[in-house]
Amino acid sequence: GAGVSQSPSNKVTEKGKDVELRCDPISGHTALYWYRQSLGQGLEFLIYFQGNSAPDKSGLPSDRFSAERTGGSVSTLTIQRTQQEDSAVYLCASSLGGAGGDTQYFGPGTRLTVL
Amino acid sequence: EDKVVQSPLSLVVHEGDTVTLNCSYEVTNFRSLLWYKQEKKAPTFLFMLTSSGIEKKSGRLSSILDKKELFSILNITATQTGDSAIYLCAVGSNYQLIWGAGTKLIIKP
Repeated sequence: GAGVSQSPSNKVTEKGKDVELRCDPISGHTALYWYRQSLGQGLEFLIYFQGNSAPDKSGLPSDRFSAERTGGSVSTLTIQRTQQEDSAVYLCASSLGGAGGDTQYFGPGTRLTVL
Repeated sequence: EDKVVQSPLSLVVHEGDTVTLNCSYEVTNFRSLLWYKQEKKAPTFLFMLTSSGIEKKSGRLSSILDKKELFSILNITATQTGDSAIYLCAVGSNYQLIWGAGTKLIIKP
C-alpha cells in the first residue's frame, strides 16, 4: 500500500474488555514497531518485529499486552482486560530494514479510550 | 542508559520569527538522527542526519548534526502558523529509535 494503515482510527471500550488494534505496514518493509503515546507525552516503545525473528517485547508494560505479526506483514496488538491507564494513541510504524536509524513511517494511529 | 533530550519543551513565537530547536543525545552505537513533525496523531518524517556538519534543507527548514558534541538543531525561518506542531527528535541505535519528548512549537499570527 501507499502508506502504513491502522484500524480502527478510534476505539472506545469499557474497562475490563479486550481490544484488538490492527496495523498494515508499507509493502516490503520488514520491520514493524508499535508505540504508545499518552496525552502530552512522548512516544513509548512497545514491541518490535523484524522479519521472521522473535519479536522484541521489552517495551510491553504488562502481560495484558501482546502482539503478533502474521506472514511478516499485518500486525495485531491485543490488550486484554483494559484499564483506564491504557487510554492513549497507539501508533504503528514500519521501516524498510531493521537497522536502527532506518526511517520509520508512521500510520495514523488508533486513539483508544477506556471508560 | 541511552537518552535523547530536547529543548525547549515548548516555545511560543510570532509568525515570521526564526526558531531553533535543540536535540542532544547519549546513545551507544549511534547510526543516525531523525527529525519528525507531529501535528495530530502520526509523526511525519522531516530529516535524517548521519554525518557531522552537513546541513539538510527543505524549504524554510534546515538541520545539522554535530557528532562530536552529540547534538542536532532544527531551524525554521520565517515561521508560519502551519508550523505549529510537536517536533520530535529520534536517534537510531542498533534496531531501535530512541525518542526525545519533543518540543511543542506554537506560532501566533
